[in-house]
Amino acid sequence: KNEVEQSPQNLTAQEGEFITINCSYSVGISALHWLQQHPGGGIVSLFMLSSGKKKHGRLIATINIQEKHSSLHITASHPRDSAVYICAVRSVETSGSRLTFGEGTQLTVNP
Amino acid sequence: EAQVTQNPRYLITVTGKKLTVTCSQNMNHEYMSWYRQDPGLGLRQIYYSMNVEVTDKGDVPEGYKVSRKEKRNFPLILESPSPNQTSLYFCASSPSTTTDTQYFGPGTRLTVL
Repeated sequence: KNEVEQSPQNLTAQEGEFITINCSYSVGISALHWLQQHPGGGIVSLFMLSSGKKKHGRLIATINIQEKHSSLHITASHPRDSAVYICAVRSVETSGSRLTFGEGTQLTVNP
Repeated sequence: EAQVTQNPRYLITVTGKKLTVTCSQNMNHEYMSWYRQDPGLGLRQIYYSMNVEVTDKGDVPEGYKVSRKEKRNFPLILESPSPNQTSLYFCASSPSTTTDTQYFGPGTRLTVL
């Protein structure tokens, strides 16, 4: 079993829909990252969370440390949100120096 | 402009021919790291560096070497590339391991024949 599991693997939505991508992990962590990988391959960091909730524009990320679970929400989705979304965790066992990644969620938003 | 640069962006080479992929950042970041991305396996960490002259292995270090002689540069060296090192490679940096944003380079697509 991978240390970081994402669901769903693939997600297709219609423009305007509310989207949720989930990330579960099995190790103690110091932080969790959400990344976005564009169709061209470039990777952008969206959020880093150690507790609670963060919001940036239409994107909201939450984390529940006790349940070892995080969600990334996209409100009013748009075709330009089509990308791969990747969850990554910093394990406390490695003093936060190493990142372990989920396999990613491929999101397609149709107009 | 704050950025992480990688060179080359694309490389096709043959088994056993030593190569170096360069990574440079202009943000005075302490932490730098190399990742490889493969279909079905996602991103995996190869090596990381917490500061000059401090490097350590990630999850998949076999077949790779790194050095960190200057803060801004973190080259990835493949002494004897093999076809299983065909992959998409990303370099990234951040101010420290505890801060939020990781800045990723554009990626290097390597094919080893």
